Amino acid sequence: NAGVMQNPRHLVRRRGQEARLRCSPVKGHSHVYWYRQLPEEGLKFMVYLQKENIIDESGMPKERFSAEFPKEGPSILRIQQVVRGDSAAYFCASSPRTQGGSYNSPLHFGNGTRLTVT
Amino acid sequence: QKEVEQDPGPLSVPEGAIVSLNCTYSNSAFQYFMWYRQYSRKGPELLMYTYSSGNKEDGRFTAQVDKSSKYISLFIRDSQPSDSATYLCAMIAQAGTALIFGKGTTLSVSS
Repeated sequence: NAGVMQNPRHLVRRRGQEARLRCSPVKGHSHVYWYRQLPEEGLKFMVYLQKENIIDESGMPKERFSAEFPKEGPSILRIQQVVRGDSAAYFCASSPRTQGGSYNSPLHFGNGTRLTVT
Repeated sequence: QKEVEQDPGPLSVPEGAIVSLNCTYSNSAFQYFMWYRQYSRKGPELLMYTYSSGNKEDGRFTAQVDKSSKYISLFIRDSQPSDSATYLCAMIAQAGTALIFGKGTTLSVSS
């Protein structure tokens, strides 16, 4: 019973290149969240998606960042024209239903993609 | 003022000690509270989930929520070296919105 799978585990990009981070949620989970973790800032929410829909992208930088969760296939977080400040660990989490509410619906996290921009 | 404040530590205790981890928050709308544990190079995993004020116990772990003080705590009894990890508090204002995390407290339990 596979958990959330993220790949690659490590990604090195030069400034100006594109980074694509992939996330396969737990089977049957239709809610996907992306978080960024920096050593001094903790986990920061970026975007919340359901199949084919962006529900909340309030944490996503307005430029260069985009996310999708197609009907088939993994969720993708795309960073165009990377800069050194994009270096961080990016975590994907999935859930069978929306967060909060009477029933505990924990987020299942992947082990992250560590992006290094040189 | 940040929405969720958490002392990053590090916190070092001997095996068997009682550990107290805390978070404060500013948004009175938060009503769902969680504690996650994160081992090095791994993703966070859920430890405790509570709704509104009160206590919840699960084995060696007890979560407390005091909404009047905007203060939540996680207690670990009989701490073990395997408890060494970073503990993150998290909270949500209403169902369907994003989970907001504290920065995490790094705990080290020595044998």
